[in-house]
Amino acid sequence: KQEVTQIPAALSVPEGENLVLNCSFTDSAIYNLQWFRQDPGKGLTSLLLIQSSQREQTSGRLNASLDKSSGRSTLYIAASQPGDSATYLCAVNMDSNYQLIWGAGTKLIIKP
Amino acid sequence: SQTIHQWPATLVQPVGSPLSLECTVEGTSNPNLYWYRQAAGRGLQLLFYSVGIGQISSEVPQNLSASRPQDRQFILSSKKLLLSDSGFYLCAWSRDSGTYEQYFGPGTRLTVT
Repeated sequence: KQEVTQIPAALSVPEGENLVLNCSFTDSAIYNLQWFRQDPGKGLTSLLLIQSSQREQTSGRLNASLDKSSGRSTLYIAASQPGDSATYLCAVNMDSNYQLIWGAGTKLIIKP
Repeated sequence: SQTIHQWPATLVQPVGSPLSLECTVEGTSNPNLYWYRQAAGRGLQLLFYSVGIGQISSEVPQNLSASRPQDRQFILSSKKLLLSDSGFYLCAWSRDSGTYEQYFGPGTRLTVT
């Protein structure tokens, strides 16, 4: 049974720092992995989707990497800003199944 | 471009009352549709998903039901709400092929009193 873990549960850093959020999964036979952002009381915004055959994806200041063999994905945020404060969730899609297996999220606070 | 709508945004209902939450998607056809619940301090729980009109799969046996009367409309219902039904309900869609990347609506905050 696939399990997705995000550590740490919360992270507080000063503005301007580069940071890395971690997502680990127990079964490497994934179809793809998505990173989402959720602001308090809001829906989820899809940030990046990385296919099982890819090593990384980039969008602006965000870079997601995937290492299937070690069961890890990282979300790198460059030059963090207070507006990046949110909860970041990763979710794994197994073998083109419709279901996503979710991590519990990392709550990120960027201090001005 | 595609847009997903949910309403109402917030809802306060007494225990035992019925529920109807609606989700519609614009700008795509034959999407896969999903209902999730996010309870306070907990992760996302998939409740139902649909791959076509009238086709509903339930992931968690409970007090809720879902229907898809039109291609881009997904409805979450209950005949009698329980206190434990309180939470944040999210609708999502994905294409029916390719990456199945999911896109979420703004959510409905339901409080059962």
